[in-house]
Amino acid sequence: DSGVTQTPKHLITATGQRVTLRCSPRSGDLSVYWYQQSLDQGLQFLIHYYNGEERAKGNILERFSAQQFPDLHSELNLSSLELGDSALYFCASVGDSPSGNTIYFGEGSWLTVV
Amino acid sequence: DAKTTQPPSMDCAEGRAANLPCNHSTISGNEYVYWYRQIHSQGPQYIIHGLKNNETNEMASLIITEDRKSSTLILPHATLRDTAVYYCIVRVANAGGTSYGKLTFGQGTILTVHP
Repeated sequence: DSGVTQTPKHLITATGQRVTLRCSPRSGDLSVYWYQQSLDQGLQFLIHYYNGEERAKGNILERFSAQQFPDLHSELNLSSLELGDSALYFCASVGDSPSGNTIYFGEGSWLTVV
Repeated sequence: DAKTTQPPSMDCAEGRAANLPCNHSTISGNEYVYWYRQIHSQGPQYIIHGLKNNETNEMASLIITEDRKSSTLILPHATLRDTAVYYCIVRVANAGGTSYGKLTFGQGTILTVHP
């Protein structure tokens, strides 16, 4: 158990709909990362938040957005869903340490768009 | 972040050591070498990381060459449960606690452990 919690574990929805994926980082971790993994692609970095502020953006579509709340949990919002958005979405967190911090991943949210 | 090169696949007999190589010839001085593995669509699991010294933990050993341009992950006694995709990643180290580099995943090495 990495200590990173993601909900829901599985989600099936129709094209055009909107969903929200939730991530609770490890206790005290200020950084949250979101990744997407589809069948034909590797793990793609989407976005990074640190203590409520966006720090870096990767290959995140404009239909997707994220935020990190004061209690440090994060949500990834996916709208106008398309079949190609079907994927595993991972959240990861990392805390402060003197050197070479370790990033821990949750078990992911399986999104199926039909 | 520096890119890494790994063989696409490797085999290993159960009980033997698995040695997974990684090239990172463009690594910068402030970048660490990380190893993660992913077992069949589970979340990537942290294995080990290092800067320039060899490292060992309960899961594996990491050997980094003196010039830091390559490294080897060693699973000393591979089991069937070690079958997974192994990712070698270089990443900027902690910069005072306010900024962290992301992990950029490549294609990794598919390690298959045979009975």
